[in-house]
Amino acid sequence: GAVVSQHPSRVICKSGTSVKIECRSLDFQATTMFWYRQFPKQSLMLMATSNEGSKATYEQGVEKDKFLINHASLTLSTLTVTSAHPEDSSFYICSARVRGPYNEQFFGPGTRLTVL
Amino acid sequence: QQQVKQSPQSLIVQKGGISIINCAYENTAFDYFPWYQQFPGKGPALLIAIRPDVSEKKEGRFTISFNKSAKQFSLHIMDSQPGDSATYFCAASTEGYQGGKLIFGQGTELSVKP
Repeated sequence: GAVVSQHPSRVICKSGTSVKIECRSLDFQATTMFWYRQFPKQSLMLMATSNEGSKATYEQGVEKDKFLINHASLTLSTLTVTSAHPEDSSFYICSARVRGPYNEQFFGPGTRLTVL
Repeated sequence: QQQVKQSPQSLIVQKGGISIINCAYENTAFDYFPWYQQFPGKGPALLIAIRPDVSEKKEGRFTISFNKSAKQFSLHIMDSQPGDSATYFCAASTEGYQGGKLIFGQGTELSVKP
């Protein structure tokens, strides 16, 4: 099956610092990657859609200057949380879409961000 | 409407029993319906998916039943095991809606008692 990795798996930072999360598709090329945020006991909330070589499309209510997304290649997308604050603490998950007609998306293992 | 409504919110089943989770959607353009399984602290894993041209798909102990006219689909887990205890999410998408982004249900927390 398609494998998606995320790094780091867990990060703790001080308020005001920036944190970068990497998402890689390991055994396939992903034209589209998605970034989600998940709070405890809740469903996945889509933050943005990232297409290789173009600007990310953000969902309504998501601050694009706060959550910077870069999709530099067909296997790598990054999410940078700028000037992180405690309210940004959450579980961030990326997914990558496999080329083809079925829109299959495979998820990474997630990154737990804690902002002190 | 782009929502996908999932029920129940939580489910307790005895080992060996059948777990049934239901989802309903409004957008008739949706043409891909996956189910994901998520364990605590992990990312969701694709379990099984169906397209609307079939009414049922089975993979091992997992079966999706799809009712196009009712705009409903369900996940059946046969011979449920304690290792199936997880949160299950249904989703729907179509290529024509925002690049195929997934619309998720609210999730069902399944607990299988030994």
